[in-house]
Amino acid sequence: DSGVTQTPKHLITATGQRVTLRCSPRSGDLSVYWYQQSLDQGLQFLIQYYNGEERAKGNILERFSAQQFPDLHSELNLSSLELGDSALYFCASSVGVQPIYEQYFGPGTRLTVT
Amino acid sequence: GENVEQHPSTLSVQEGDSAVIKCTYSDSASNYFPWYKQELGKGPQLIIDIRSNVGEKKDQRIAVTLNKTAKHFSLHITETQPEDSAVYFCAASFNQAGTALIFGKGTTLSVSS
Repeated sequence: DSGVTQTPKHLITATGQRVTLRCSPRSGDLSVYWYQQSLDQGLQFLIQYYNGEERAKGNILERFSAQQFPDLHSELNLSSLELGDSALYFCASSVGVQPIYEQYFGPGTRLTVT
Repeated sequence: GENVEQHPSTLSVQEGDSAVIKCTYSDSASNYFPWYKQELGKGPQLIIDIRSNVGEKKDQRIAVTLNKTAKHFSLHITETQPEDSAVYFCAASFNQAGTALIFGKGTTLSVSS
């Protein structure tokens, strides 16, 4: 158990809908990273928040957004969903802002768009 | 763009044999190289990492080596066991704005008893 929690574990929704994925980092970690894992693209970095502020952006679509709240939990919002958005979504947390600190992954949310 | 290449994509060994997975990276400024193990239905688990000021690091049956000149690093698992069967990912840090860890495509390791 990494100490990172994610909810829900599974999510099934229809095209065009909007969903919110939630992540709680390990105690003491200030950074939250979001990743998308698909069979063809592997693990892709989406976005990072550190202590409530956006710090780095990767291959995140404009339809996706995230935020980190004062209690440090983070939410990833996916809107206007398409079939191709079906994937595993992981969050990871670390103590520091730079990607040189250990990142610990949560169990993931499996999103299925039908 | 920046990338990490990982080989092989699949690896089958007999229990007790050694397994080696190799990765190369493109950004010479990368300075942190973690390895993750992912079992079916679970999130990636950090198993070992190395930083650019170190050439080799060991933790029981696993070891990682880093060659900064050649820009490649490797994971070595000795005395493999069936529970080592999983997908292994290497990653490299990219410290430019807008990036974090770049992952390899993964290696599926199968250890047969």
